[in-house]
Amino acid sequence: AQSVTQLDSQVPVFEEAPVELRCNYSSSVSVYLFWYVQYPNQGLQLLLKYLSGSTLVKGINGFEAEFNKSQTSFHLRKPSVHISDTAEYFCAVSESNQAGTALIFGKGTTLSVSS
Amino acid sequence: NAGVTQTPKFRVLKTGQSMTLLCAQDMNHEYMYWYRQDPGMGLRLIHYSVGEGTTAKGEVPDGYNVSRLKKQNFLLGLESAAPSQTSVYFCATHQGSNSPLHFGNGTRLTVT
Repeated sequence: AQSVTQLDSQVPVFEEAPVELRCNYSSSVSVYLFWYVQYPNQGLQLLLKYLSGSTLVKGINGFEAEFNKSQTSFHLRKPSVHISDTAEYFCAVSESNQAGTALIFGKGTTLSVSS
Repeated sequence: NAGVTQTPKFRVLKTGQSMTLLCAQDMNHEYMYWYRQDPGMGLRLIHYSVGEGTTAKGEVPDGYNVSRLKKQNFLLGLESAAPSQTSVYFCATHQGSNSPLHFGNGTRLTVT
């Protein structure tokens, strides 16, 4: 079965600084990878996804992530964060060989952006 | 999120009471899921369904039951609520494992 590890539970940064949120996964088969964002008192919304092809994936709000198969990682990056990026971020994985496989989520990383 | 609607939004139960959470989707998706979210634990899968009339257990199924009698509805039941079931419950749906999940806005349940 697959699993996801988000290496940092909290990441505090100053506005306009770069940020990287780390995610590692384990699976015995090929996977699809996702990053979701959750703003306070809301549901989750998709930031970006990796299905196949280019290992660098661009998402909404200036975020991007790079799939590294050898390191089984899918780290999320943004070159310059804003106060409005303060939220909880979840990495998730599903197995590509099963159509109905549920997403398994990491425990989340809280990004706090201050001025 | 007009596509996935959860009711109720909030509920307080006493230990031993029962209740049903309703998830309705108008996206015609086959796959539906119930997750619970707890601080520091992320989202954990309770039960899921790959189509009308089917259900399967997820990571944390104990104490919950589900039914998918109609394609658009996925019900989560608590037969005898316990304080450990205090959580925020999210319903989600998608077309398949390569498509993003669409989430409802959650149900905040407190069991006293």
